Amino acid sequence: AQSVTQLDSQVPVFEEAPVELRCNYSSSVSVYLFWYVQYPNQGLQLLLKYLSGSTLVESINGFEAEFNKSQTSFHLRKPSVHISDTAEYFCAVSITSGSRLTFGEGTQLTVNP
Amino acid sequence: GAVVSQHPSRVICKSGTSVKIECRSLDFQATTMFWYRQFPKKSLMLMATSNEGSKATYEQGVEKDKFLINHASLTLSTLTVTSAHPEDSSFYICSARGRAGVAQYFGPGTRLLVL
Repeated sequence: AQSVTQLDSQVPVFEEAPVELRCNYSSSVSVYLFWYVQYPNQGLQLLLKYLSGSTLVESINGFEAEFNKSQTSFHLRKPSVHISDTAEYFCAVSITSGSRLTFGEGTQLTVNP
Repeated sequence: GAVVSQHPSRVICKSGTSVKIECRSLDFQATTMFWYRQFPKKSLMLMATSNEGSKATYEQGVEKDKFLINHASLTLSTLTVTSAHPEDSSFYICSARGRAGVAQYFGPGTRLLVL
């Protein structure tokens, strides 16, 4: 079975500061990795995904995540955050041959002015 | 692309009544749909997985007779909460995956309040 650990339940930062949201996973087989963002009272939006190939993946709004197989991590980073980035962020994994997602507990990112 | 809608967005009902929630994939064919439940400040709990035209697969501990799932077409799945009770109050989110896809695309969620 797979598991996902998001090490920080809450991350407060100031606007324009860099941020890293940590995600570690455990699996005995190869996995696909995802980051989803959830704004208050809304569903989840896919932020970025790693399926194969380049270990660094980027989203259109400045976030990036790097797959590190040796450390079983998929940390999410942004060099300069905005107030509008305030949201809950979920890391998730699925095994390559299956379809169900296993989610981490989520990290609440709060960007303060 | 990959837009999923849910209806209604919010519903309040009396205890003992049944509530139906619709999940639609608007611009792709969803061969697999998933239903999740999310408690306040908690992660998502997968309730069931449904493939078009076949019976849903329920997660352990989820009552299939209480949470009826129908996936009658490639663009529509419904979740019916039967004989709802206050403890069924929650945020229900569906997601959909296309035939060749890997990622799941989520609906905006339905907030259910049972009085």
